[in-house]
Amino acid sequence: QQPVQSPQAVILREGEDAVINCSSSKALYSVHWYRQKHGEAPVFLMILLKGGEQKGHEKISASFNEKKQQSSLYLTASQLSYSGTYFCGTENTGNQFYFGTGTSLTVIP
Amino acid sequence: DAGVIQSPRHEVTEMGQEVTLRCKPISGHNSLFWYRQTMMRGLELLIYFNNNVPIDDSGMPEDRFSAKMPNASFSTLKIQPSEPRDSAVYFCASSMGSREATQYFGPGTRLTVL
Repeated sequence: QQPVQSPQAVILREGEDAVINCSSSKALYSVHWYRQKHGEAPVFLMILLKGGEQKGHEKISASFNEKKQQSSLYLTASQLSYSGTYFCGTENTGNQFYFGTGTSLTVIP
Repeated sequence: DAGVIQSPRHEVTEMGQEVTLRCKPISGHNSLFWYRQTMMRGLELLIYFNNNVPIDDSGMPEDRFSAKMPNASFSTLKIQPSEPRDSAVYFCASSMGSREATQYFGPGTRLTVL
């Protein structure tokens, strides 16, 4: 029931773009995205609700495809500060909430 | 404004001992969550309270774990007796509204059970 994220890890150079995917086996009501830096607590990035397809936050945006039970996080023109582990959190229509498997993102100069 | 406050930040205990983790949510928030994070299992939701009432405790591992929220400004997570496999970072988070609202995480409690 834990959503699966892909890729598991990615290394980027500053300025490059990345896409992180989150797939669930159950119908979704909402998708949250968080970033966690090493040794710190997760920090909320954005939430997408059923019926809302895309949101943006500076150079980070996300989409939610209800039919495919998937969400994608888009990071454009990556910065060093983007490094961390990204988690999706999904609430399915059965009111169950699970975090995804996580994607480690490393941005290098 | 103060964020979510957790105590202690670090706890080292011996197997069989009782452990109590504490959380003070952000003032005005009415939802509170307890999570556990390990390398093997990632982030897991243990229990979710709304208006001090446990709504979803399906993630609580077993009877050794219990959580309470006696009022809107305080929650505890207790493990009795503790086991080495309980070693993890335990996060508390709070939000305004229900589960789909933004969750604000506390700094976490790193628990080590020897």
